[in-house]
Amino acid sequence: EIVLTQSPGTLSLSPGERATLSCRASQSVSSSYLAWYQQKPGQAPRLLIYGASSRATGIPDRFSGSGSGTDFTLTISRLEPEDFAVYYCQLGTFGQGTKVEIK
Amino acid sequence: QVQLVESGGGLVKPGGSLRLSCAASGFTFSDYYMSWIRQAPGKGLEWVSYISSSGSTIYYADSVKGRFTISRDNAKNSLYLQMNSLRAEDTAVYYCARDLITGTRVVDYWGQGTLVTVSS
Repeated sequence: EIVLTQSPGTLSLSPGERATLSCRASQSVSSSYLAWYQQKPGQAPRLLIYGASSRATGIPDRFSGSGSGTDFTLTISRLEPEDFAVYYCQLGTFGQGTKVEIK
Repeated sequence: QVQLVESGGGLVKPGGSLRLSCAASGFTFSDYYMSWIRQAPGKGLEWVSYISSSGSTIYYADSVKGRFTISRDNAKNSLYLQMNSLRAEDTAVYYCARDLITGTRVVDYWGQGTLVTVSS
């Protein structure tokens, strides 16, 4: 089974800064199935990106996804206060998550 | 609007059983693959099981294979998860989830979750 490893575990940034989150697969995968989710405390996750780079409905364009093969990236161009949360990548199974916290 | 409402969670002793239900509305349920995904307290997400739109294709995570059974009733717009031989490590919030694209396990809608606690 493919294992997804996310890095870093925690990212401490200020509002307005750029966030770059990494997701690495244990073997080359089809980007068609790679997704990113955001989860805030006490809430269900929300789909941000699917197919590695397609934004889900209603997702602001400050969120973007890229990558192929084994390396994928979620970028938040300028952090808004509501973006501080935990982010998961998924290819069937999920990565362990990256927490984006306020510095 | 799309709604997924889980029920059936609660406290159960190790070795016990529980059946979760998910009532779907706001979309043509029979057109979509559906999944159960869980999250242990303070932990990450774990995909548990999914079922095709007709129910003919089913997959399970290794951690629940042989103990959990997923099923659906398209006439009732409902998804189920029968959980047997429960263990402490099955304690989690269980989410019902809809596939965005058939068979990809990419989820576009989630329920609010139902908490299952396995403890003596």
